[in-house]
Amino acid sequence: DTGVSQDPRHKITKRGQNVTFRCDPISEHNRLYWYRQTLGQGPEFLTYFQNEAQLEKSRLLSDRFSAERPKGSFSTLEIQRTEQGDSAMYLCASSLLVGKGETQYFGPGTRLLVL
Amino acid sequence: AQSVTQLDSHVSVSEGTPVLLRCNYSSSYSPSLFWYVQHPNKGLQLLLKYTSAATLVKGINGFEAEFKKSETSFHLTKPSAHMSDAAEYFCVVSALDDKIIFGKGTRLHILP
Repeated sequence: DTGVSQDPRHKITKRGQNVTFRCDPISEHNRLYWYRQTLGQGPEFLTYFQNEAQLEKSRLLSDRFSAERPKGSFSTLEIQRTEQGDSAMYLCASSLLVGKGETQYFGPGTRLLVL
Repeated sequence: AQSVTQLDSHVSVSEGTPVLLRCNYSSSYSPSLFWYVQHPNKGLQLLLKYTSAATLVKGINGFEAEFKKSETSFHLTKPSAHMSDAAEYFCVVSALDDKIIFGKGTRLHILP
């Protein structure tokens, strides 16, 4: 399978714990995006990377959230001191920047439940 | 700033009848527009995209969408609904920096 993969698919944690999610993009894609999707809503942009550089972070991304893409390949999203409001689906997407209208390809998501 | 509005949160059609999912966008320049579909417990899948070429865009599974600049619309249609089309559909606009903005989604129900 050469699509975007995410691990784990599901995570249940207790409030206050730290969690880390991983995303493996399509291999030749230079851009990687993180989104959060809550029930009944469309995905909301969190942050994105071009190669290893993090180019933008949404104001939704509080200081408890950190994302890395150390070698310009896979990426991790860490949430520290989780809160119940962090419960959501976390989606990763990748794309190849070739000009206007690049297509983002999405992974299956990691569903987080904070108890 | 770019934004996208999906006019219906739920649409129900009978199997075999046409589907129309409505989307209006706002953009200060010529945007790229996309429709994605999300089936339960599955990832988002691209149905089709518009990037300033032909205004009528054909996608997968018999879906198509027409870009109408004068109406700032990008409605999704399909001539004949199938049970497997039941899913959540998202209209998406691409911003100047290629960041994409999702609509709130339209849930399509197919009645037997």
